[in-house]
Amino acid sequence: QKEVEQDPGPLSVPEGAIVSLNCTYSNSAFQYFMWYRQYSRKGPELLMYTYSSGNKEDGRFTAQVDKSSKYISLFIRDSQPSDSATYLCAMREGPNFGNEKLTFGTGTRLTIIP
Amino acid sequence: NAGVMQNPRHLVRRRGQEARLRCSPMKGHSHVYWYRQLPEEGLKFMVYLQKENIIDESGMPKERFSAEFPKEGPSILRIQQVVRGDSAAYFCASSPPTGGSGTDTQYFGPGTRLTVL
Repeated sequence: QKEVEQDPGPLSVPEGAIVSLNCTYSNSAFQYFMWYRQYSRKGPELLMYTYSSGNKEDGRFTAQVDKSSKYISLFIRDSQPSDSATYLCAMREGPNFGNEKLTFGTGTRLTIIP
Repeated sequence: NAGVMQNPRHLVRRRGQEARLRCSPMKGHSHVYWYRQLPEEGLKFMVYLQKENIIDESGMPKERFSAEFPKEGPSILRIQQVVRGDSAAYFCASSPPTGGSGTDTQYFGPGTRLTVL
């Protein structure tokens, strides 16, 4: 069993829809949770960074963390064609020195249809 | 404000040759991380370095792979005697000094795509 599970998709939704992306994990030591966006043949770009359980909102993006269920989500409101990319969840233990490595999901490929 | 820089962006090697991948962190960042992304897979951690120190190499293959981050110059990931299975995208990330908090996020470069013929 992988430490982090993420549905690879592909996921196609019409422009303007709400998108829900999810990851589950098995390591209860994870405390920091991130979402990265990766366009084709580019490097990952940090979208959201959250600590422990709760919600965080930034513009059209909302990240949720439920540590009791070991489940994290990313919601995209009013989706745009420019949101078409692969979305990677990532997490790490910490904050102790030496726990900096990120563990990634495999990524969900999202296409927003105009 | 330049981001993380990696070169070359594309590298082609024949089996048995050496590959050298370079990474210059963002200005003010002193921590460097290397990840590998195989086709249709997520990024896998390889190694974490600070200047002149390897902090965590738990994801690094035991043979043929090495990494360094000298006092001056970029971080280098070296793969000796490459094999076809080494073909992948190699990403470097950097983060600023954490002051002991260990909470700073990692910013990724554009990657080097290695193809082994």
